Amino acid sequence: QSALTQPASVSGSPGQSITISCTGTSSDVGGYDYVSWYQQPPGKAPKLIIFDVSKRPSGVSHRFSGSKSGNTASLTISGLQAEDEADYYCGSYTSTITYVFGTGTKVTVL
Amino acid sequence: EVQLLESGGGLVQPGGSPRLSCAASGFTFTYYAMSWVRQAPGKGLEWVSTITSSGGNTYYADSVKGRFTISRDNSKNTLYLQMNSLRAEDTATYYCAKDQWESIPHSFDCWGQGTPVTVSS
Repeated sequence: QSALTQPASVSGSPGQSITISCTGTSSDVGGYDYVSWYQQPPGKAPKLIIFDVSKRPSGVSHRFSGSKSGNTASLTISGLQAEDEADYYCGSYTSTITYVFGTGTKVTVL
Repeated sequence: EVQLLESGGGLVQPGGSPRLSCAASGFTFTYYAMSWVRQAPGKGLEWVSTITSSGGNTYYADSVKGRFTISRDNSKNTLYLQMNSLRAEDTATYYCAKDQWESIPHSFDCWGQGTPVTVSS
């Protein structure tokens, strides 16, 4: 149950687009289309923003989009805004009927 | 409005056995799997355990297997986590989370505010 690998930090200017990667194995990210992404502002609980690789829950901005290629999933934030500053975690179902989160990425809006 | 309210955290001695509770409201509790996720201070999220909607199947992270027990009372809309043989490395904020599916840990669409557990003598 090793954590999925994410970059520690990503930054961008307002209006820009940024992409966060999430690398796993064929037993998790690569084996199922059950990758989710969570946004966690400082001091708050996580919030689901993407599930099933690319689906957005009701109420989540269209600026958030997800994709997957092989064992790597990606979250793209378009039109970066100050309110997007938060920690972002990917997560995936695994072949052993467990769940694994990514190491987390801190997004900074310059 | 979907709400999850955890309780039962606090300062616990090493080897202690607290029980966390999570009271759910605003959705049909019996339809969904429920999970516990923890976050050590300044660290990332760690999945702890999931229980299916009926309570018939449970799944655990290796780090807690054999020490923690997840359960639910569907008549009370409440999720539990019995924690035994606590260690310093179990210190974390414990979140209760609702899944979008009934049978496996799939995606967590609602989270509680978390309850902190500190293991220290």
